[in-house]
Amino acid sequence: NAGVTQTPKFQVLKTGQSMTLQCAQDMNHEYMSWYRQDPGMGLRLIHYSVGAGITDQGEVPNGYNVSRSTTEDFPLRLLSAAPSQTSVYFCASSYAGGRSTEAFFGQGTRLTVV
Amino acid sequence: QQQVKQSPQSLIVQKGGISIINCAYENTAFDYFPWYQQFPGKGPALLIAIRPDVSEKKEGRFTISFNKSAKQFSLHIMDSQPGDSATYFCAASTGQGAQKLVFGQGTRLTINP
Repeated sequence: NAGVTQTPKFQVLKTGQSMTLQCAQDMNHEYMSWYRQDPGMGLRLIHYSVGAGITDQGEVPNGYNVSRSTTEDFPLRLLSAAPSQTSVYFCASSYAGGRSTEAFFGQGTRLTVV
Repeated sequence: QQQVKQSPQSLIVQKGGISIINCAYENTAFDYFPWYQQFPGKGPALLIAIRPDVSEKKEGRFTISFNKSAKQFSLHIMDSQPGDSATYFCAASTGQGAQKLVFGQGTRLTINP
């Protein structure tokens, strides 16, 4: 059982380049989200989705776009990368609703913008 | 502004000792408080969680203590082992379970053998 799969694991971008971080889950979870992890700041929510065709902004959405065309996939797009977007990115999924008790995280994508 | 404040930032404990990590929150609408464990190069994984209708929850060597009036909760690791060395995050959410989690800053725990 793969769980939550993120690709790539590592990426170096030049300022201004664009790229898409991929996330796929095979648990039929309605809810998917993207977090970024920075030293001393924990994980901060970027965007989330409660189902196919529905997305919304989290705490730090600027510079990132998302879409959700299927239940399984939730890609994160950086349209014009900036050094401030250097971070480790985690995708997570869970069942929707107030009684969901566990978010399952991928192994992360370490992104460096130079 | 950090809605969930975690301390200490790093902690060193001898094998067999008790590790204690504390978190404080301001938003009284939070109603789900999980702790996540993260090993280097891995994503966070749920360790234990509590809802505010109980003051304590224990699972094996791991215990959450919850003080609703003080708006504080803590993780206690009894008989700490070198394999417990990891980064620990507290988190909270408002009426949405494991969705839209607000995380603390994290604590890097090292258990010396």
